[in-house]
Amino acid sequence: DTAVSQTPKYLVTQMGNDKSIKCEQNLGHDTMYWYKQDSKKFLKIMFSYNNKELIINETVPNRFSPKSPDKAHLNLHINSLELGDSAVYFCASSQVSGGAGNEQFFGPGTRLTVL
Amino acid sequence: QKEVEQDPGPLSVPEGAIVSLNCTYSNSAFQYFMWYRQYSRKGPELLMYTYSSGNKEDGRFTAQVDKSSKYISLFIRDSQPSDSATYLCAMRFSGGYNKLIFGAGTRLAVHP
Repeated sequence: DTAVSQTPKYLVTQMGNDKSIKCEQNLGHDTMYWYKQDSKKFLKIMFSYNNKELIINETVPNRFSPKSPDKAHLNLHINSLELGDSAVYFCASSQVSGGAGNEQFFGPGTRLTVL
Repeated sequence: QKEVEQDPGPLSVPEGAIVSLNCTYSNSAFQYFMWYRQYSRKGPELLMYTYSSGNKEDGRFTAQVDKSSKYISLFIRDSQPSDSATYLCAMRFSGGYNKLIFGAGTRLAVHP
């Protein structure tokens, strides 16, 4: 059973398009995250939701809009895609949003290529 | 200056070697320290999780935290080709939300 799953795995699109990435976790966790990993493997947090409420919102262009329909799902919609958006996007989840022993479990990633 | 510095490597070692991976950080308020392993084209998986200073051992892996020097290490004993991956250090504060700050990752290749 996959703990954190993402769709699609690969996404190739043209500049200016709008696209969405979906994430689902079946771990019963309350908190979910979006991370961006650039070509140099640097992993940076973008957003976090706890029980459908946005709790972390890093300095990300407002073309990126996360949505959490329920605590098991977190989607990422990107408007007007730019070349610099090309990266691997990882979803993660953790049991709660803070405190001790609160490890994050990562999904397999979505490799986005903007042409 | 980045909050967390990590040499990206690559690091190439023969099978059976002891590997030492390191990160330094600038913010003394970090309290939780983690090491993630990431195989090519996969998501990061948690290897070690340490709170504050000290050592933690799990099989062939040992994590060390030296808060006075703002320096963390991961040692891999008897390294295997299956250990070939990118190793990411990560850390966070004790309060607030579970926001991880990652290092750039060190690429490790263990050759037979």
